[in-house]
Amino acid sequence: GAGVSQSPSNKVTEKGKDVELRCDPISGHTALYWYRQRLGQGLEFLIYFQGNSAPDKSGLPSDRFSAERTGESVSTLTIQRTQQEDSAVYLCASSFVGSNQPQHFGDGTRLSIL
Amino acid sequence: TQLLEQSPQFLSIQEGENLTVYCNSSSVFSSLQWYRQEPGEGPVLLVTVVTGGEVKKLKRLTFQFGDARKDSSLHITAAQPGDTGLYLCAGAYSGAGSYQLTFGKGTKLSVIP
Repeated sequence: GAGVSQSPSNKVTEKGKDVELRCDPISGHTALYWYRQRLGQGLEFLIYFQGNSAPDKSGLPSDRFSAERTGESVSTLTIQRTQQEDSAVYLCASSFVGSNQPQHFGDGTRLSIL
Repeated sequence: TQLLEQSPQFLSIQEGENLTVYCNSSSVFSSLQWYRQEPGEGPVLLVTVVTGGEVKKLKRLTFQFGDARKDSSLHITAAQPGDTGLYLCAGAYSGAGSYQLTFGKGTKLSVIP
């Protein structure tokens, strides 16, 4: 059975470049989340998608960050004009709808900005 | 902004010892989840607690939800090296945005053989 798949697993890029991170959720999961985890820190909520509803973008730290999801499929998180403080692990999770539902996480993309 | 405090932040113990990790908030949770994360991997759900005063057991792990649903604890009996990892609590709050989980910063546990 396929879990949540994220790619790339690692990304090293120069400051100022744009990066695109991809998340393939578990089939049938209508809810999809993006989180950021800085070294030694907990998870910071970025954005939430649920079906065809408008996404909750309240956690995006700046307008350099954006995300898309088509229906209940793949999602991409884009960071434009990357800065060194963007270095972190970016985690994607999917679930059935409901706050009590377990979130299933991918292994994340480790982003390093030089 | 909802805050969720976890303590201790770091814990290093000998194999066979017992330990307790705490998760506290000034706000009431509608539910709370505990996750375990190993290096290079995403968090994996251990348990969800919903009812105040609820106690759930998972082998040597005991999870307790406070009566007022503002705090939770994780107790590990006779810790094993395989228990090493980052333990995260995550709370869901009632009301708008209730699908969101607020994560604590985690407790990094090292069990020394």
